[in-house]
Amino acid sequence: DAKTTQPTSMDCAEGRAANLPCNHSTISGNEYVYWYRQIHSQGPQYIIHGLKNNETNEMASLIITEDRKSSTLILPHATLRDTAVYYCIVRPRNNNDMRFGAGTRLTVKP
Amino acid sequence: DSGVTQTPKHLITATGQRVTLRCSPRSGDLSVYWYQQSLDQGLQFLIQYYNGEERAKGNILERFSAQQFPDLHSELNLSSLELGDSALYFCASSHTDRQLYNSPLHFGNGTRLTVT
Repeated sequence: DAKTTQPTSMDCAEGRAANLPCNHSTISGNEYVYWYRQIHSQGPQYIIHGLKNNETNEMASLIITEDRKSSTLILPHATLRDTAVYYCIVRPRNNNDMRFGAGTRLTVKP
Repeated sequence: DSGVTQTPKHLITATGQRVTLRCSPRSGDLSVYWYQQSLDQGLQFLIQYYNGEERAKGNILERFSAQQFPDLHSELNLSSLELGDSALYFCASSHTDRQLYNSPLHFGNGTRLTVT
């Protein structure tokens, strides 16, 4: 019952913006879009989340389409340390857990 | 540093044995979550506790159990261990129970369990 679809892998040049897409065409009104990343075998790291509006923090920007069926995580100036698996997760507002899919393996190249 | 502490970092044990993994949540967080990550399964949600009570259950085997103590730390007990239980076990914590304020989960760096 995968709720999100992400590319298996992507490459990005160091210093350029990394744009990671996520499709969540069955998202419902009370569900949020969360992004996490996992570097090697470390614990997943929270990046950003949003409901309808675009969001920005010190790590990234989250762009959600008007119909909410897809979103894009933007790392504005990717560095080698941004190489990781990025997970897009749809999470109901009153849900108690976070369910991870396979994610996108982003490789930042020099 | 997420503020979530897991011990031990590494654990090697034999089949049939029992182990206990420990997690200290971030200061002020009332919810604790346990996840398992093996090579072929990805991150699997096991169980969640909120302020000492079980709140949600995922793909947790009957041989596994968890609890959250009054000081809010949590332990995951794995018994009758099998080779297939070898995995990374992550603990996460969050502030609220019902996500009224969209509280993210913050993860520790895990315990790597190897069953030989």
